[in-house]
Amino acid sequence: GENVEQHPSTLSVQEGDSAVIKCTYSDSASNYFPWYKQELGKRPQLIIDIRSNVGEKKDQRIAVTLNKTAKHFSLHITETQPEDSAVYFCAASKTGGFKTIFGAGTRLFVKA
Amino acid sequence: DTAVSQTPKYLVTQMGNDKSIKCEQNLGHDTMYWYKQDSKKFLKIMFSYNNKELIINETVPNRFSPKSPDKAHLNLHINSLELGDSAVYFCASSPLSGGYSYEQYFGPGTRLTVT
Repeated sequence: GENVEQHPSTLSVQEGDSAVIKCTYSDSASNYFPWYKQELGKRPQLIIDIRSNVGEKKDQRIAVTLNKTAKHFSLHITETQPEDSAVYFCAASKTGGFKTIFGAGTRLFVKA
Repeated sequence: DTAVSQTPKYLVTQMGNDKSIKCEQNLGHDTMYWYKQDSKKFLKIMFSYNNKELIINETVPNRFSPKSPDKAHLNLHINSLELGDSAVYFCASSPLSGGYSYEQYFGPGTRLTVT
């Protein structure tokens, strides 16, 4: 069945370093890949997304890359700050959009 | 203005009881969802509704019955609550234009504790 694997489950970095979270999806028909950030006790919120017709997208310190052939996509956060500490979820869905499959989440700790 | 709201925020109840969670969105979206987030933070889709019609039922026990009285509301009723139902339940909505997926807007969540 459809599956999204996410690694690592926990990531600890020093403030100012970069953080990379990787995801792999199983359904080759997937064409929309959002990333959500969930702070402790809060709701998940979209931070960036990418569609399958582009390979990379950047928004300030956050970037996402997509390799359709390998069915991989990654989140890159540069110059990390303590407020980046949260759980990050990758997800995948396809045209029709009624079902989004989420990865298991990565808990990011940014140490000051 | 709250985009997606849920009530109640916390729900503590005993095994065997029946409870409901309400969700409303004022974004004009066509599609609404219920997700369950367990203690390990895993987000699992339960139901998807489009224009009040059930589209996805992700092998959820039939003790869970969603109801969408109109496009802006999606409620979740749970019968005969079990310990394993303890989790945070998130409602979400998204636009669906031309069949393409878009960002989902989540409600604040309802923390259900079954004792």
